[in-house]
Amino acid sequence: AQSVSQHNHHVILSEAASLELGCNYSYGGTVNLFWYVQYPGQHLQLLLKYFSGDPLVKGIKGFEAEFIKSKFSFNLRKPSVQWSDTAEYFCAVNADSSASKIIFGSGTRLSIRP
Amino acid sequence: GAVVSQHPSWVICKSGTSVKIECRSLDFQATTMFWYRQFPKQSLMLMATSNEGSKATYEQGVEKDKFLINHASLTLSTLTVTSAHPEDSSFYICSAILGLAGDQQYFGPGTRLTVT
Repeated sequence: AQSVSQHNHHVILSEAASLELGCNYSYGGTVNLFWYVQYPGQHLQLLLKYFSGDPLVKGIKGFEAEFIKSKFSFNLRKPSVQWSDTAEYFCAVNADSSASKIIFGSGTRLSIRP
Repeated sequence: GAVVSQHPSWVICKSGTSVKIECRSLDFQATTMFWYRQFPKQSLMLMATSNEGSKATYEQGVEKDKFLINHASLTLSTLTVTSAHPEDSSFYICSAILGLAGDQQYFGPGTRLTVT
């Protein structure tokens, strides 16, 4: 069965620190990969997505993610975090493009100290 | 961008009653919508895929007769929690896709259901 693993449940950083959130998936075929963010009290919104092409994708608010096929990973990065980045981050995988069904990771809560 | 709304945003009901939650795509037509359940501090669990004009596809372990899904139009899907129990208390979120299958989903703000 397809699965998505986010190993960091809660990450606490100071402002201006660099961020990397891990995401690994288990599926051997073609995948579409997503990172969604859920700010406190708000709905989920897309940060970035990878379908094909350049494995380094850039998203909104300075976030980027790198798809490494050999490692089945799609880690999220940001060189310098801000207090406003405090949120829950979800990695998600679509392994059946015809069905649009996506599987979410368990999420990583990011807390930024001002 | 594409906007998805849900109504109500929160609801409290008594055990044994039924509750209907609406999910609307406000500025686009959505042939496919999804219903998720999110427990506190946990991830989203897909409950079912709702296709306009056809029966919903439920995920394993989700009771079809308890969680009734209707997708009567291209902009509206409803989830009815029948004979609600306290364990059904949760955050229910819907989403819709705008374009091609496999593309990003646009999420509604969620509905907090509390069953007393």
